[in-house]
Amino acid sequence: AQSVSQHNHHVILSEAASLELGCNYSYGGTVNLFWYVQYPGQHLQLLLKYFSGDPLVKGIKGFEAEFIKSKFSFNLRKPSVQWSDTAEYFCAVASTDSWGKLQFGAGTQVVVTP
Amino acid sequence: SAVISQKPSRDICQRGTSLTIQCQVDSQVTMMFWYRQQPGQSLTLIATANQGSEATYESGFVIDKFPISRPNLTFSTLTVSNMSPEDSSIYLCSVVDGGAAEAFFGQGTRLTVV
Repeated sequence: AQSVSQHNHHVILSEAASLELGCNYSYGGTVNLFWYVQYPGQHLQLLLKYFSGDPLVKGIKGFEAEFIKSKFSFNLRKPSVQWSDTAEYFCAVASTDSWGKLQFGAGTQVVVTP
Repeated sequence: SAVISQKPSRDICQRGTSLTIQCQVDSQVTMMFWYRQQPGQSLTLIATANQGSEATYESGFVIDKFPISRPNLTFSTLTVSNMSPEDSSIYLCSVVDGGAAEAFFGQGTRLTVV
């Protein structure tokens, strides 16, 4: 069965700390990978995406993610978080055949304290 | 990028009634999707709204419960029929911008069934 697992449901950290959110997937075939963010009261926004090429992708707001095919992982990182990074983060996977149809992980609520 | 407007943004409905949610996009898009986010859970794809033909439903979702219309390339509706409290969720419209290789989301419709 296809699935997307996010390792942490809730993360609390202080400003300037480093953030890493884990994402593993189980999917037959070739996939495209995404991280979305939902700030409080706002709609989902794309942070970054991986389709092919360099497995280390950089997104907006200083976020990056690394695709490790052998581990079926696509972990999100940010070296130094800010209070404004408080949000819910979703990992998502889609088949390359129909990449608009996203399967989401459960989400990780990140709270950054001043 | 695509700008998506969903109406209503929230509603409280009586069980047994139906609610139609509208999704309007500011540009013509090929692919439109409807998702559901139940309380405390991740987003689940309900169906693909196909222009000029019946929607394509994911496993666990049926047309009688969630009829979808897609009369043109900028508009779609999702109806939640014969509602029960279990239908209380956030319903989101998503469109794919092939050029940007990105899925965009509306702000969602928060539905509470009492």
